[in-house]
Amino acid sequence: EADIYQTPRYLVIGTGKKITLECSQTMGHDKMYWYQQDPGMELHLIHYSYGVNSTEKGDLSSESTVSRIRTEHFPLTLESARPSHTSQYLCASSESGGRNEQFFGPGTRLTVL
Amino acid sequence: AQSVTQLDSQVPVFEEAPVELRCNYSSSVSVYLFWYVQYPNQGLQLLLKYLSGSTLVKGINGFEAEFNKSQTSFHLRKPSVHISDTAEYFCAVKWSGAGSYQLTFGKGTKLSVIP
Repeated sequence: EADIYQTPRYLVIGTGKKITLECSQTMGHDKMYWYQQDPGMELHLIHYSYGVNSTEKGDLSSESTVSRIRTEHFPLTLESARPSHTSQYLCASSESGGRNEQFFGPGTRLTVL
Repeated sequence: AQSVTQLDSQVPVFEEAPVELRCNYSSSVSVYLFWYVQYPNQGLQLLLKYLSGSTLVKGINGFEAEFNKSQTSFHLRKPSVHISDTAEYFCAVKWSGAGSYQLTFGKGTKLSVIP
């Protein structure tokens, strides 16, 4: 079944740890995105990718990094987690073309102690 | 910068009553419009979208929305809500002149359906 997956769903970790949030999609989409979502706030784009080996920073500055080595995989990494990184991270994908909607994964809720 | 405003952060409504969730955006240039729903501890799911054509758009779960270019609005409606409609609803806009990746979201409206 075509879908978009994120792991882990929940992560509680201590300050200074390196973490990677996984995102995979089986829809064959070229475009992938990472959003940060805080309670009561709009989603903010932090990274996006148009395809393999293409990554760009989004509107919201983030200390995280991303990679796109395979079309279906778009992991997000924090080298040294801090409490300010506590948030929900949503991954999305879409077909090429401005008219196409984005499909979202279930999200990873990250808590940094 | 372009912006999306969802006028109500929370909307309580009794079961089987009608509901309207309001969304306004900042510019009347060519836009694509979307409504997403987010159930607790889940990602966003597309309810409906307006790309062109008829200004009344029908979506899943009995929801519909009307594009009003002159008022730069895209309000979401349902004639009779169910308990299962309790969720957070996000309006999103893509300005066609902007980068094709750029989807701007409102802050969301929490719909609570009261039995």
